[in-house]
Amino acid sequence: ETGVTQSPTHLIKTRGQQVTLRCSSQSGHNTVSWYQQALGQGPQFIFQYYREEENGRGNFPPRFSGLQFPNYSSELNVNALELDDSALYLCASSLMVGGNSYEQYFGPGTRLTVT
Amino acid sequence: GNSVTQMEGPVTLSEEAFLTINCTYTATGYPSLFWYVQYPGEGLQLLLKATKADDKGSNKGFEATYRKETTSFHLEKGSVQVSDSAVYFCALSMLYGGSQGNLIFGKGTKLSVKP
Repeated sequence: ETGVTQSPTHLIKTRGQQVTLRCSSQSGHNTVSWYQQALGQGPQFIFQYYREEENGRGNFPPRFSGLQFPNYSSELNVNALELDDSALYLCASSLMVGGNSYEQYFGPGTRLTVT
Repeated sequence: GNSVTQMEGPVTLSEEAFLTINCTYTATGYPSLFWYVQYPGEGLQLLLKATKADDKGSNKGFEATYRKETTSFHLEKGSVQVSDSAVYFCALSMLYGGSQGNLIFGKGTKLSVKP
């Protein structure tokens, strides 16, 4: 059984560019959540995807968007990058059954630097 | 809104010392509470959880008790080891029975244990 994987590990982008981060969920999981962890801070919830639909969103602007695919993997897209978007982006997968979402398993993250 | 406050680090201890990391929360309703640990270069791992008042979560020698009267969930360990060096995050979720919706994290406390 493979755990949650994320790619790439590190990424450097320029302000104004667009970026796509990828996450493969753990086998048997159907839900993916994305978090942003700025340096020295705790992770902040961006959004969650369940059955290919957004299932909750935190306080992030619309330029943060996502997708979930039939195999439950997911992408996080960020448009018009700003310097403050520099952070570690964490993906977490979990199993949701009957409205109950069980333990989230986190990937190692993608470190995004915006210059 | 809902939030988590935990003691600022870094915390430096000698091996076999007693550890306490304070965590308090603000929530409208009855949250489930969690401690996560993040080792260098890795994703977050669930360390322990408690879903209702007076519950005690425990794992790997760590313990935390859900105190509704003081809105606290302090992490303790009787004898720390060098391998416990990591960043510890307190978190809450507003779904019931330990079910995890979006997690709200504290800022994290870095623990360094010296031999």
